[in-house]
Amino acid sequence: DSGVTQTPKHLITATGQRVTLRCSPRSGDLSVYWYQQSLDQGLQFLIQYYNGEERAKGNILERFSAQQFPDLHSELNLSSLELGDSALYFCASSVARNTEAFFGQGTRLTVV
Amino acid sequence: DAKTTQPTSMDCAEGRAANLPCNHSTISGNEYVYWYRQIHSQGPQYIIHGLKNNETNEMASLIITEDRKSSTLILPHATLRDTAVYYCIVGPSGSARQLTFGSGTQLTVLP
Repeated sequence: DSGVTQTPKHLITATGQRVTLRCSPRSGDLSVYWYQQSLDQGLQFLIQYYNGEERAKGNILERFSAQQFPDLHSELNLSSLELGDSALYFCASSVARNTEAFFGQGTRLTVV
Repeated sequence: DAKTTQPTSMDCAEGRAANLPCNHSTISGNEYVYWYRQIHSQGPQYIIHGLKNNETNEMASLIITEDRKSSTLILPHATLRDTAVYYCIVGPSGSARQLTFGSGTQLTVLP
């Protein structure tokens, strides 16, 4: 158990819909990162927040957005969902810039 | 532009040492070598990282060549639970938070 909690574990939704994925980082970790893992793309970095502020962006689509709240939990919002958005979405957290990241168990999103 | 090269797959007998190689010939002076693993669709798990000295922790050892162009992750006594995809990643200190995962090596530990 990494200490990073993601909910829900599984999510099935229809194309065009919007969903919210939630992540609670390890206690004391200020940084949260979101990753997407699909069968054909591998694991890709989406976005990072540090203490409520966006710090880095990767290959995140404009239909996707994220935020980190004062209690440090984070949400990833996915809208206008397409079949190709079906993937595992991982959240990770770390305590500081130069320390390793700990990953949650992921949310498996299926868009039908 | 791939920064690391790893074999696609490897097998190892249970109880033996598993040696996973990684080539990173374009690594720059301030870049670290990180290793993570992912056990079938679970979240990636941090294993170890290093700059130029060899490193050891409770999970594994990391051997980095003197020219830093390659490294080897060593699992000293592989178990069936070590079957996973192992990712070698290079980047500046702190880049563990923005990991660029390649294809990794599928390690299968055989009974």
